[in-house]
Amino acid sequence: GAVVSQHPSWVICKSGTSVKIECRSLDFQATTMFWYRQFPKQSLMLMATSNEGSKATYEQGVEKDKFLINHASLTLSTLTVTSAHPEDSSFYICSANGQGGTSGVASSYNEQFFGPGTRLTVL
Amino acid sequence: DAKTTQPTSMDCAEGRAANLPCNHSTISGNEYVYWYRQIHSQGPQYIIHGLKNNETNEMASLIITEDRKSSTLILPHATLRDTAVYYCIVRVTNAGKSTFGDGTTLTVKP
Repeated sequence: GAVVSQHPSWVICKSGTSVKIECRSLDFQATTMFWYRQFPKQSLMLMATSNEGSKATYEQGVEKDKFLINHASLTLSTLTVTSAHPEDSSFYICSANGQGGTSGVASSYNEQFFGPGTRLTVL
Repeated sequence: DAKTTQPTSMDCAEGRAANLPCNHSTISGNEYVYWYRQIHSQGPQYIIHGLKNNETNEMASLIITEDRKSSTLILPHATLRDTAVYYCIVRVTNAGKSTFGDGTTLTVKP
């Protein structure tokens, strides 16, 4: 099946610094990528939808100037947490929705696949 | 996207079938039912999806009621590694945006 990777898998940073998280679709073109945030013992909350080559669409309550999203290519989206604070500590998960692929199972690639997540800890 | 409701938690004996219910009474005609699971500290894993017919793959079976207002995910022979949070989601397939509810925490016991 399709593979979505995230880098880094975990990061610890000081309060006030910015952190960039990468999300890559490894064997398919991701026309749309999604960013979620998950606090301990809670469900995933959608933060934003990013489409290749256009501005991201943010969910209500998510600060677009704090969570910068760039989707410059069909295989890469980045989420930058600017001026991170301890309350931004969370598990950030991306997913990619796309078409194509090399496995021959075309139907599998018109779906959404999730990355392994990035654990952010802000001290 | 339609809202879904699931039991908070369920237990299942190892080797037995796990039947996880989901209610989605406000589902629209073009919305599919998707099931994902999330093992601790990992990203969600796709399990199965369907529109109105029952579906089966190597992981599970999905039973959707005729009125499509509810569904059941069946893990035929649960193992300890199936312990996870299971999410039922309804969405239009090409839209991609998934709204997660609280899911069901399935604990498979020896």
